[in-house]
Amino acid sequence: SQTIHQWPATLVQPVGSPLSLECTVEGTSNPNLYWYRQAAGRGLQLLFYSVGIGQISSEVPQNLSASRPQDRQFILSSKKLLLSDSGFYLCAWEITETQGPFFGSGTQLSVL
Amino acid sequence: AQRVTQPEKLLSVFKGAPVELKCNYSYSGSPELFWYVQYSRQRLQLLLRHISRESIKGFTADLNKGETSFHLKKPFAQEEDSAMYYCALVYNQGGKLIFGQGTELSVKP
Repeated sequence: SQTIHQWPATLVQPVGSPLSLECTVEGTSNPNLYWYRQAAGRGLQLLFYSVGIGQISSEVPQNLSASRPQDRQFILSSKKLLLSDSGFYLCAWEITETQGPFFGSGTQLSVL
Repeated sequence: AQRVTQPEKLLSVFKGAPVELKCNYSYSGSPELFWYVQYSRQRLQLLLRHISRESIKGFTADLNKGETSFHLKKPFAQEEDSAMYYCALVYNQGGKLIFGQGTELSVKP
């Protein structure tokens, strides 16, 4: 069966520090991969999606970037974190378009 | 522009009472709509999707294109239904979901 792993579960980082959140999917190949963020008091917002290795699309301009170095690995990064980057980050995967993505357990990022 | 609205932040009902979690959408194309649920300390998970017209854990949701709504209903709420519920709309293609703000359902004994 397919599983999705996301780590770390919580992260506290100072302003200006770099960020790397990792997500891996097991039990499937060539999935679509997604990064979502839920800021405090707001709904879930799509940040990046990827349909294949090295193919990244950004949905909103921001201080973050994403990379997909391997088929089942999706990384969210920042060179210098801002206070506004705080939030709950979710990775998701899907195979079929009408299936609806399956989500990881999320990373709570606090930038202080 | 695409938008999903869940007007209630919190919905509190007693066990056995009917539940309706409201969701309205704005989308110019043919919508694909989903309900996701997040139980305490668990990951966000798909509850149901309109395209399959299924009933999961007693919940149903009917797409009403005239009213642009996709309300989630259950005739008799259970305490274990207490959770955060998100309505979501797929736009463009693939899993580019737009989420509503979410409604916290609290079912009291």
